[in-house]
Amino acid sequence: EAGVAQSPRYKIIEKRQSVAFWCNPISGHATLYWYQQILGQGPKLLIQFQNNGVVDDSQLPKDRFSAERLKGVDSTLKIQPAKLEDSAVYLCASGGARLAGGHQRITDTQYFGPGTRLTVL
Amino acid sequence: QKEVEQDPGPLSVPEGAIVSLNCTYSNSAFQYFMWYRQYSRKGPELLMYTYSSGNKEDGRFTAQVDKSSKYISLFIRDSQPSDSATYLCAMSVNTGTASKLTFGTGTRLQVTL
Repeated sequence: EAGVAQSPRYKIIEKRQSVAFWCNPISGHATLYWYQQILGQGPKLLIQFQNNGVVDDSQLPKDRFSAERLKGVDSTLKIQPAKLEDSAVYLCASGGARLAGGHQRITDTQYFGPGTRLTVL
Repeated sequence: QKEVEQDPGPLSVPEGAIVSLNCTYSNSAFQYFMWYRQYSRKGPELLMYTYSSGNKEDGRFTAQVDKSSKYISLFIRDSQPSDSATYLCAMSVNTGTASKLTFGTGTRLQVTL
C-alpha cells in the first residue's frame, strides 16, 4: 500500500516570503496531522483534521500559518510570511478509520510521510 | 517542565550490545505509549505500541511501561548497525481518531561495527 506522500521534499526561501506544502494521506484515512519538527526536537502537532474539519489547531500560529483539507483527502499547509524560526521539517501523518476488505477498521497508528525540510534565510 | 523528557544522546554502542532508551513524563493521564524510529531525513515509523503498564516484546525490541514511576523504556537486544537512528517516545491520553501524540525530543543512537 502507498504511504503518505509529501511535496516538495526541500524548500529554501527568504524571510517574509510565502511557502506551501502538500500532503496526500494514505487512502481511506480520515485523520490527517501536520507536525513541525525543529532540529534536535520531537515533532510538535500544528493541526489535526478529521475528514475536512479541524479537530485541534491550538498550536498553529494562525497569524502566519494556515491549513486546509479540501474534500477530506489532500491537505496543504501554508506559511505567509515566513520567519527564520520557521526553519524545520514539516511532517504530515495520517491515521484513523479506514476500510479494509469492506469492513470498517479503526487504526490508532499515525503513519508519517517523509517530511518537507524548510530553510528560511 | 516538559510533559515528556528524553535524553537526546547521542548514545554510541558496539554491535551486539543491549540498548536501553528511556523517557519520563509528568502527565498521569497518558495511557498509550509508543516508540518511533526515525532515520535521517525520513519520517518517524512506529516500532512499539503499548497500553497502560507492563511489557511488550516484538523480536529484538521490548517496551516497558511503569505508570507508577511515569517511566517508559525501550530495550534493543543484539543491536545492529541498521538500528542507528533517532528513537522518539510518544504518548497520548486517548486512542482512536481523537488521539493526540506528545513526543519526546528523541535519542540519537549509533551502533558501531
